[in-house]
Amino acid sequence: GQQVMQIPQYQHVQEGEDFTTYCNSSTTLSNIQWYKQRPGGHPVFLIQLVKSGEVKKQKRLTFQFGEAKKNSSLHITATQTTDVGTYFCAGRGDSGGYQKVTFGTGTKLQVIP
Amino acid sequence: DAGITQSPRHKVTETGTPVTLRCHQTENHRYMYWYRQDPGHGLRLIHYSYGVKDTDKGEVSDGYSVSRSKTEDFLLTLESATSSQTSVYFCATTPRDQYNEQFFGPGTRLTVL
Repeated sequence: GQQVMQIPQYQHVQEGEDFTTYCNSSTTLSNIQWYKQRPGGHPVFLIQLVKSGEVKKQKRLTFQFGEAKKNSSLHITATQTTDVGTYFCAGRGDSGGYQKVTFGTGTKLQVIP
Repeated sequence: DAGITQSPRHKVTETGTPVTLRCHQTENHRYMYWYRQDPGHGLRLIHYSYGVKDTDKGEVSDGYSVSRSKTEDFLLTLESATSSQTSVYFCATTPRDQYNEQFFGPGTRLTVL
């Protein structure tokens, strides 16, 4: 079955440093979504990428979808303490019919003030 | 948030007892999902529903059953709880199109002693 790996598992950064998390799928994806979960909270949708090579930005966050549609990344520029949380990618298969979303294992970001 | 509630929010039970978790949504979303979240595993799909009385298995469905008799309610039942089912359970919904984002409920923390 489809597997989605995410690295790193944990990341500690000083406030103001950049942060990147990477997501890799064992199969081609039709789309990829990114979610953020604050400590003690529930996952909240950030963005969806659909096209090969797509790049989207949300303020300090930059999301990329790989050319082969098997990998993605989330980059945060100049982290702030409000960025603390776990970031999940979620990929949907591309083989027709209803495709379940498979979540990555998440990257837990800690920002040191 | 998309008007998703889960009950109970916390539950402690004993091994061998049946447990039912409820997810209620007020958005008339078509798709509903049950996930479990465990450290190191991210979010894993247990079961999902694509309409009233239409359900299917996810990747970790053993020991769980679901029912959806109304659009707004999706029930998850642990037929005979085991300690390995201690977890945080999240319900999620998606509107009409399967490619839309998922909206998550607040979660239920279940402890099986």
